[in-house]
Amino acid sequence: DAKTTQPPSMDCAEGRAANLPCNHSTISGNEYVYWYRQIHSQGPQYIIHGLKNNETNEMASLIITEDRKSSTLILPHATLRDTAVYYCIARIPGKGRRALTFGSGTRLQVQP
Amino acid sequence: EPEVTQTPSHQVTQMGQEVILRCVPISNHLYFYWYRQILGQKVEFLVSFYNNEISEKSEIFDDQFSVERPDGSNFTLKIRSTKLEDSAMYFCASSAGLAEITDTQYFGPGTRLTVL
Repeated sequence: DAKTTQPPSMDCAEGRAANLPCNHSTISGNEYVYWYRQIHSQGPQYIIHGLKNNETNEMASLIITEDRKSSTLILPHATLRDTAVYYCIARIPGKGRRALTFGSGTRLQVQP
Repeated sequence: EPEVTQTPSHQVTQMGQEVILRCVPISNHLYFYWYRQILGQKVEFLVSFYNNEISEKSEIFDDQFSVERPDGSNFTLKIRSTKLEDSAMYFCASSAGLAEITDTQYFGPGTRLTVL
């Protein structure tokens, strides 16, 4: 799985969009980008995933650059409950490998 | 909304004792997982379980660890002889067993294990 790099921490004002970057410059063509978050020592929670097209669901949007070397998770209207550690994971599904490899993530603090 | 549950929420044990951590995965899910997180460190994969056997395990999952699905609803992690370094939060997860690309893992709230 490709190494991902994320800033250790970010702040965001409540109600504003939170844009969380992830660098995955060595990503291969068949590696997907997944985002999870962990709210205060709870179990990680799936947010979204994508390969090369931008994706959107009820929680967030995922923007992947055309060269796929980086991506941005967007929380369109951050709330205090979005304060969490956000993990960007690059992985190749298949061959029976379902294990998730978590890095250090970005600690997002949403400020009132 | 269905969720993964874990018991107990906190387990305190003496070094060398056996512990069993329990999980009830989401009904109808086919894959089950254990992860752990030592305080202040990353979430680490331990093992995945499918069709009553281990499908994948990490280097952490040595002979001291075992998993079992004793009945149709529970999934357990046993640590035979606990060490101080086993102190961590242990998360159970389950997934529906869809294609690996889209198979979302749902995590439980965790069991905090403290080894004294």
